Amino acid sequence: EVQLLESGGGLVQSGRSLRLSCAASGFNFDDYAIHWVRQGPGKGLEWVSGISWNSDSIGYADSVKGRFTVSRDNAKNSLYLQMNSLRSEDTALYYCVRRNWNGAFDVWGHGTMVTVST
Amino acid sequence: QTVVTQEPSLTVSPGGTVTLTCASSTGAVTSAYYPNWVQQKLGQAPRALIYSTRNKHPWTPARFSGSLLGGKAALTVSGVQPEDEADYYCLLNYGGTWVFGGGTRLTVL
Repeated sequence: EVQLLESGGGLVQSGRSLRLSCAASGFNFDDYAIHWVRQGPGKGLEWVSGISWNSDSIGYADSVKGRFTVSRDNAKNSLYLQMNSLRSEDTALYYCVRRNWNGAFDVWGHGTMVTVST
Repeated sequence: QTVVTQEPSLTVSPGGTVTLTCASSTGAVTSAYYPNWVQQKLGQAPRALIYSTRNKHPWTPARFSGSLLGGKAALTVSGVQPEDEADYYCLLNYGGTWVFGGGTRLTVL
């Protein structure tokens, strides 16, 4: 079964750091770009970051640029999101999403919750 | 800052047809934006519906279709079912980044 499983969320103080992980299974991880998408409480979806299959192409939303770093380890079938200088507005459910070569965001994880306290 | 705009809410009767749209602040939406549509039901993770403007995933019901309409991406639901009540988000590509629309809450009444 094709699956993405996020972990690493939790409660953290404003200004501190947290690292999220996303474990992939059921498909050839290094054939796909992977993205992070978040959703604040009662809010809509927000694209956060994406990384190509070989890490050559990386993008960030303006809201996280300079504070978040995405990376992947294809040998471990894993994606990471290093989040520094966290703010209250980063409080959200963070989803890991697979993107196909044809632009399809086709497989979504169930998310990991990050709560930033002030 | 790029803004993607969707109708905040729409209401449709069961069996009816409804079209949701997705506009870009940069101008007309084309296939080069690789429009995606996702559905999110209350309390659930999002689920992909349409990619690259009009392509369906294997699990996408036939009543859902994607298109370009008047410079916007569009999602049409024909023969709406009660289970289609959900939030719908479009997603557009801007080179190295992607932007979601604010979402449309579809009510089936």
